[in-house]
Amino acid sequence: GAGVSQSPSNKVTEKGKDVELRCDPISGHTALYWYRQSLGQGLEFLIYFQGNSAPDKSGLPSDRFSAERTGGSVSTLTIQRTQQEDSAVYLCASSLGGGWRVNPAKNIQYFGAGTRLSVL
Amino acid sequence: AQKITQTQPGMFVQEKEAVTLDCTYDTSDQSYGLFWYKQPSSGEMIFLIYQGSYDEQNATEGRYSLNFQKARKSANLVISASQLGDSAMYFCAIRDNFNKFYFGSGTKLNVKP
Repeated sequence: GAGVSQSPSNKVTEKGKDVELRCDPISGHTALYWYRQSLGQGLEFLIYFQGNSAPDKSGLPSDRFSAERTGGSVSTLTIQRTQQEDSAVYLCASSLGGGWRVNPAKNIQYFGAGTRLSVL
Repeated sequence: AQKITQTQPGMFVQEKEAVTLDCTYDTSDQSYGLFWYKQPSSGEMIFLIYQGSYDEQNATEGRYSLNFQKARKSANLVISASQLGDSAMYFCAIRDNFNKFYFGSGTKLNVKP
């Protein structure tokens, strides 16, 4: 696609429900990132995929959070038993990936518009 | 661990003037990258400019330039000839050796007419 696509753009859910957020990266981008941004705050790293594997899951806040990526393309972030503190904008980004010194431009991240999650 | 510090929560600049947004970082990596992103009120994150740790010249992209001082671990963004459309949040980020990115808390820039 032309850019990173995220769906839904807005999600309102009740506390305790599960939610699934989707990210469709730019075609050909092997690296995919999930971030969380609370109101007025910076970006909090959640997880990073290179292809279908996730070398770094250290940012996932709890075991209620999980993510997968299939076919080296679409990724889903799942939050189980949502809590009010999960309310935030969830941003997805993709990049070409690859060695920094070979071509730094490959690490430029392009972001989607985000999913605004509200847990009531 | 990596760390990005942006000490200016908010700044004002007069239209057509230049402005510098500060960013300092802390890393033990020898190879890293520094990035600046703009986030308008619409919420999208827009890539502006990057600097590699081994780049000897400061990066420039149109009205944006990066004042990279490696010994001081600073990577300040300079916006020349500010425009009203430059009003936004600006985030500095560092990429480490493991492809992980760390973002600062951001600086809110307001351009006055």
